[in-house]
Amino acid sequence: GAVVSQHPSRVICKSGTSVKIECRSLDFQATTMFWYRQFPKQSLMLMATSNEGSKATYEQGVEKDKFLINHASLTLSTLTVTSAHPEDSSFYICSASRGPSSYEQYFGPGTRLTVT
Amino acid sequence: AQTVTQSQPEMSVQEAETVTLSCTYDTSESDYYLFWYKQPPSRQMILVIRQEAYKQQNATENRFSVNFQKAAKSFSLKISDSQLGDAAMYFCAYRDQETSGSRLTFGEGTQLTVNP
Repeated sequence: GAVVSQHPSRVICKSGTSVKIECRSLDFQATTMFWYRQFPKQSLMLMATSNEGSKATYEQGVEKDKFLINHASLTLSTLTVTSAHPEDSSFYICSASRGPSSYEQYFGPGTRLTVT
Repeated sequence: AQTVTQSQPEMSVQEAETVTLSCTYDTSESDYYLFWYKQPPSRQMILVIRQEAYKQQNATENRFSVNFQKAAKSFSLKISDSQLGDAAMYFCAYRDQETSGSRLTFGEGTQLTVNP
């Protein structure tokens, strides 16, 4: 159990457009979901934490108006990159937790975003 | 703020040999969790092993074991009988015991190469 999916796995979009990435917990309810960004050969950088039904908490330096996060249900969180630019090209990974007291995060397979 | 440091950007090991990956962390908390994650070329994050800080016994999972030194804030991963499939980026991660957030703090990663 504890499977997390992400869609799409790869996306290419034109500069100035918006793109939405979905993160779903397939076999459990995820009270908390996390969004990470990872550049090549680097570590995961936490962008934001979202709790179902409430506003996401963004890390310092992450533009909340550019990276819109919605966690409308216990199995789905979305990350929308608005007005994308080439520097937003990266690998985006989500993870899900059963709740604040759960020690484990279950990771999605990631989404590679390329902005042309 | 908690920090996690992996001082070995790259390591290599011969197949069937043993390798140890280093990790140190800094925290003022007494209760927390430590993890080792593996990220193969597929980029899927895979939990290798976890350690609860209150447990004195070192965690083991088959060929993977840790050396947890709480006073020294050290958490190394030993891979025995290395296999070609162990080649990956390995991340050490820390999580507070506190019930709010359950966010992970990752180290910079160690790229492990397994030579046949």
